[in-house]
Amino acid sequence: EVQLLESGGGLVQPGGSLRLSCSASGFTFSSYAMGWVRQAPGKGLEWVSTISFTDGSTYYADSVKGRFTISRDNSKNTQSLQMNSLRAEDTAVYYCAKYTTVTNYWGQGTLVTVSS
Amino acid sequence: QPVLTQSSSASASLGSSVKLTCTLSSGHSGYVIAWHQQQPGQAPRYLMKLEGSGRYNKGSGVPDRFSGSSSGADRHLTISNLQSDDESNYYCETWDSKTRVFGGGTKLTVL
Repeated sequence: EVQLLESGGGLVQPGGSLRLSCSASGFTFSSYAMGWVRQAPGKGLEWVSTISFTDGSTYYADSVKGRFTISRDNSKNTQSLQMNSLRAEDTAVYYCAKYTTVTNYWGQGTLVTVSS
Repeated sequence: QPVLTQSSSASASLGSSVKLTCTLSSGHSGYVIAWHQQQPGQAPRYLMKLEGSGRYNKGSGVPDRFSGSSSGADRHLTISNLQSDDESNYYCETWDSKTRVFGGGTKLTVL
């Protein structure tokens, strides 16, 4: 059974940093692209970032480019999202996502609140 | 990059059928999409991948009541024999070489 477990969310002040992690199990982690999708309170889904499984290429939404960094550790079946220079508009539930072509598995999400 | 357009809301009666639509932007009518269900307070759940041909592949455990179809740039999700726990937000998703895109979501109310 595929499982994706996020951790690292919490309350952070504007301009601060936070690191999210996603622990994966139930599939061959090194063979799949992974990523993050967020959902602001009461809003829809917004793609944040993707990391490929072939060469580790990374892709970002314009809204986070230059501030967020995605990474993966295939030896530990984990992916991470380093979030710097956080803004109020980054407040959201962040979901870990496993991709084939589409998103075919979701984690339960971790809440990030950016507020003073 | 592609844009996905969904109606903001839909409603149908318990036991009936409903067809939700996701429309791809001009120049992207051949794209494959996915449908996801998000029940209130829950994480999204993958329902199916849907091709422009109308062929679809459902995720594990998705009931037979859920099916997909396509017509031009439109991608449809049909739910038959509506149940109360089908009341959810439904999102479509697609991708290109570097980005992923979600539709704005359709809130389905089961009457």
